[in-house]
Amino acid sequence: QSVLTQPPSVSGAPGQRVTISCTGSSSNIGAGHDVHWYQQLPGTAPKLLIYGNNNRPSGVPDRFSGSKSGTSASLAITGLQAEDETDYYCQSYDSNVSNWVFGGGTKLTVL
Amino acid sequence: QVQLQESGPGLVKPSETLSLTCTVSGGSIKNYYWSWIRQPAGKGLECIGRIYSNGSPNYNPSLKSRVTMSVDTSKNQFSLKLTSVTAADTAVYYCARLKVGEDWFDPWGQGTLVTVSS
Repeated sequence: QSVLTQPPSVSGAPGQRVTISCTGSSSNIGAGHDVHWYQQLPGTAPKLLIYGNNNRPSGVPDRFSGSKSGTSASLAITGLQAEDETDYYCQSYDSNVSNWVFGGGTKLTVL
Repeated sequence: QVQLQESGPGLVKPSETLSLTCTVSGGSIKNYYWSWIRQPAGKGLECIGRIYSNGSPNYNPSLKSRVTMSVDTSKNQFSLKLTSVTAADTAVYYCARLKVGEDWFDPWGQGTLVTVSS
């Protein structure tokens, strides 16, 4: 059971907008710790997608955006493309467990 | 561009010690934090801990009694040892970098599968 909670799956049609939620608590996201997002293609290592809640590393399309409010965060993907179909993970720091924690991951299906 | 590469045995017997090394290329290992993260098949990610380039570690409390990390700045490498392994330790093990003052992991190594089995 992950410290951060994500929906197991989300789906959307090409061109649509989808959001992936990441719910935490007062010891992680609610404590002010930043949220980061990773994209993991099958058989590969996670790749940083969003850092510091809403910042994109160089090379990440602006179709990807992040937000944070209270004890939750969200990843939004607009203009869905077939290549976006993969797994996404949120990550933060938790003061209670004194460790960096991840969500359980969300599998995005492009219909 | 910094690249990380994990290496070590892919098969470890139960109760023995898992040992992995991560080689950093394209940049210095100094003045950064270096982490180990693992992912059991079909499951989520778990941070095992991090170590600063001066050798100061921070371990996941749930694994602390079994984990040792070390750094060899002369070889631009850092290592993980996990003792008394069981089947529950079977996973893909990734190494990754953390910058000082930041708490996201980037870049990551490609990962190495370690299976615990007799």
